[in-house]
Amino acid sequence: AQRVTQPEKLLSVFKGAPVELKCNYSYSGSPELFWYVQYSRQRLQLLLRHISRESIKGFTADLNKGETSFHLKKPFAQEEDSAMYYCALTGWETSGSRLTFGEGTQLTVNP
Amino acid sequence: DAGVTQSPTHLIKTRGQQVTLRCSPKSGHDTVSWYQQALGQGPQFIFQYYEEEERQRGNFPDRFSGHQFPNYSSELNVNALLLGDSALYLCASSLVGDRTYYGYTFGSGTRLTVV
Repeated sequence: AQRVTQPEKLLSVFKGAPVELKCNYSYSGSPELFWYVQYSRQRLQLLLRHISRESIKGFTADLNKGETSFHLKKPFAQEEDSAMYYCALTGWETSGSRLTFGEGTQLTVNP
Repeated sequence: DAGVTQSPTHLIKTRGQQVTLRCSPKSGHDTVSWYQQALGQGPQFIFQYYEEEERQRGNFPDRFSGHQFPNYSSELNVNALLLGDSALYLCASSLVGDRTYYGYTFGSGTRLTVV
């Protein structure tokens, strides 16, 4: 069975501070990991995916297969980063294209 | 391009009733997936439709059923509503065989409240 765990439901930091949103997963196979973000009153949207190794809005995430983690990081948080963040997983071997989401972390960046 | 359109945006139903939610996919997409998002939880996969057939299904009872039309739009039906069915129902469209996942586009959802 595949599972995504986000241990922190709430995370609060000050503007300019580093931020790390944790994500751990379990999957038997080669997973594809994503971070989705939902800003207030907006729809769910893709932030980044591990396969592209990109940086979006200053966020990065590295897939650590040994620790089965995909933590989201940003060195200097901004107030506009306040949102709900979901880690998600899929894998073609067992789940086709369905996404399995974590429960989400509500990030608040204080001025 | 309006992206994924869902209707209605909000709905209140009584326990035991039946409900139909609708989704129009993004232009160019041919696959529709439905997710249930209960309060404080991440979205959970219900099922996926392609070529008017259910291709994958999550752990949801048969009370949840769906349909896809020739124009790729889709409906989610829930029978014998329970209080626990109260949630935000999300529709996501994509293009079959597109493994880039940039193709996943989510709608704004339908907020269903069962009283």
